Amino acid sequence: EVQLVQSGAEVKKPGESLKISCKGSEHPFTNYWIGWVRQMPGRGLEWMGIIFPGDSDTRYSPSFQGQVTISADKSISTTYLQWSSLMASDTAIYYCARVGLPLWKYYFDYWGQGTLVTVSS
Amino acid sequence: NFMLTQPHSVSESPGKTVTISCTGSSGSIASNCVQWYQQRPGSAPTTVIYDDNQRPSGVPDRFSGSIDSSSNSASLTISGLKTEDEADYYCQSYDGGAWVFGGGTKLTVL
Repeated sequence: EVQLVQSGAEVKKPGESLKISCKGSEHPFTNYWIGWVRQMPGRGLEWMGIIFPGDSDTRYSPSFQGQVTISADKSISTTYLQWSSLMASDTAIYYCARVGLPLWKYYFDYWGQGTLVTVSS
Repeated sequence: NFMLTQPHSVSESPGKTVTISCTGSSGSIASNCVQWYQQRPGSAPTTVIYDDNQRPSGVPDRFSGSIDSSSNSASLTISGLKTEDEADYYCQSYDGGAWVFGGGTKLTVL
């Protein structure tokens, strides 16, 4: 069974850095793109970007380009979402999700459980 | 920017059929695949329809998807409604390098 297991909830202060993770159980992990999706409190889903762990090819939503960094370590089947300086407006649940094949259908087939990030002074 | 518009909420009784629409702001919604995700309260989304009308394994055939090019919209139809279908439903497609989600529709089964 395909599983995406995300790291636990985080509470941070504005200006702090953060890196959250998403570990895949499916092998070969490097055959699939992985995406990140934000859900702010009481709001809908927003696409942040996708990464291909095989070669770290990354595509960002224009809304998130320069605001976050998506990376991957294929040796441990893990992708990351990272902030260098958090803001209160980054408070949200972040989901990773596997992109289904073929890529050109542009859909997510499996989702992680979500990571709640709370940014508050 | 391309947008997908969904009704904010719909409600229907158990056993009935409900249809949720997703209208594209421009171009042809049929140009790219449309997906539907279900998000129950307090849970992560799950995929109920992909590639316009395909059901992942494990999704009951009560769920179906369709495209209407004349109205530039996609629809998710759920028949034989059950209380467990009460959730938020999001459509999603792709346009010009960006993955686009609709705003979501809250389905109440009362």
